[in-house]
Amino acid sequence: QQQVKQSPQSLIVQKGGISIINCAYENTAFDYFPWYQQFPGKGPALLIAIRPDVSEKKEGRFTISFNKSAKQFSLHIMDSQPGDSATYFCAASKEGGKLIFGQGTELSVKP
Amino acid sequence: GAGVSQSPSNKVTEKGKDVELRCDPISGHTALYWYRQSLGQGLEFLIYFQGNSAPDKSGLPSDRFSAERTGGSVSTLTIQRTQQEDSAVYLCASSRSTGGYEQYFGPGTRLTVT
Repeated sequence: QQQVKQSPQSLIVQKGGISIINCAYENTAFDYFPWYQQFPGKGPALLIAIRPDVSEKKEGRFTISFNKSAKQFSLHIMDSQPGDSATYFCAASKEGGKLIFGQGTELSVKP
Repeated sequence: GAGVSQSPSNKVTEKGKDVELRCDPISGHTALYWYRQSLGQGLEFLIYFQGNSAPDKSGLPSDRFSAERTGGSVSTLTIQRTQQEDSAVYLCASSRSTGGYEQYFGPGTRLTVT
């Protein structure tokens, strides 16, 4: 019940396209859902996060869509750029505690 | 401002030796977390300190792993009698206390056990 499942494992998108990464969770007690971006040799960087009381949050080209009834959330990257090429992790936590991470998605944006 | 810092950035050790990894959280952050990132296991939680509360050690994989946090700031993760399967990147994160759900990660320590 602690798992967070992420898909796809890898994604190739053309420059200017939309990248979509999906996550599903089981534990309904989770109350915080962040996305992290990680470049090789670096630590994960917090990108955007959402709480379950809203269905969508947008920050620049990055949008989280949240479906509480389906226990799913997704990251949309609009106008994808080669600089967005990185590994993306979804995660979930309860009451500010430990993060449970998805397995990661390796995104490659082709010029 | 300064982010989370970790040292050393790389550590190579022989099987059976003990290692200590250090984490300096963001100033004013009272919550501190350790995670491990490896190819086969992804990002996994190890231990969590929140203020003066007892730490959540539920993620420590064996009794060879321990961590302490001195003065509510710096933390040290100790691995005794290292094994090859301990090779991974060890990541530290910190967050604010009240409502501090956002966790900010350091650059990690890459541990290689030969």
